[in-house]
Amino acid sequence: DGGITQSPKYLFRKEGQNVTLSCEQNLNHDAMYWYRQDPGQGLRLIYYSQIVNDFQKGDIAEGYSVSREKKESFPLTVTSAQKNPTAFYLCASSRRQISYNEQFFGPGTRLTVL
Amino acid sequence: AQTVTQSQPEMSVQEAETVTLSCTYDTSESDYYLFWYKQPPSRQMILVIRQEAYKQQNATENRFSVNFQKAAKSFSLKISDSQLGDAAMYFCAYRGTGANSKLTFGKGITLSVRP
Repeated sequence: DGGITQSPKYLFRKEGQNVTLSCEQNLNHDAMYWYRQDPGQGLRLIYYSQIVNDFQKGDIAEGYSVSREKKESFPLTVTSAQKNPTAFYLCASSRRQISYNEQFFGPGTRLTVL
Repeated sequence: AQTVTQSQPEMSVQEAETVTLSCTYDTSESDYYLFWYKQPPSRQMILVIRQEAYKQQNATENRFSVNFQKAAKSFSLKISDSQLGDAAMYFCAYRGTGANSKLTFGKGITLSVRP
């Protein structure tokens, strides 16, 4: 089955610790994205990557970092610099960074910082 | 910058009835794409329907259809013969046609379906 996997589903961390969220896709998609979802808010773009070894900041990149060493993987690190990291994080991918192409989403990771 | 507005935070519909979810957007571009995504309680986002701005014909996918009014910058979603499985959050989204254009989401609307 082709799709996007995110792990873990729930993640708890202490304040001040960095944490890395995993995102893997086997759809052979070129583009990958990270979104943050807060209650009462839409999805906000954190980072996106159109090809391996390249990525761009989205609207709320501060306090986050990413890497794209493999086409299939786009991990997101939430650093201690992120002031309010507790949120639901969604990873997505698409065939290419073209407007009409559908973005497919993973099941998400709920991060809670204690 | 483009903005997407979903002014109704919640709506309710009787099973088998029809419901319309509203969305407006603001843009200075003439060509763009509009989407409706569904997020059920599982929180898995699923594309419901897509509309190209250059097409005058409204998109339709089975029980889901849109009313696209380009001049009014309005993009509403109509769900016919509502089913219990339609209960979810629905997000309207906009994307321009530039190489680095991003998907801009509205805040979403929670739809409940009464049996």
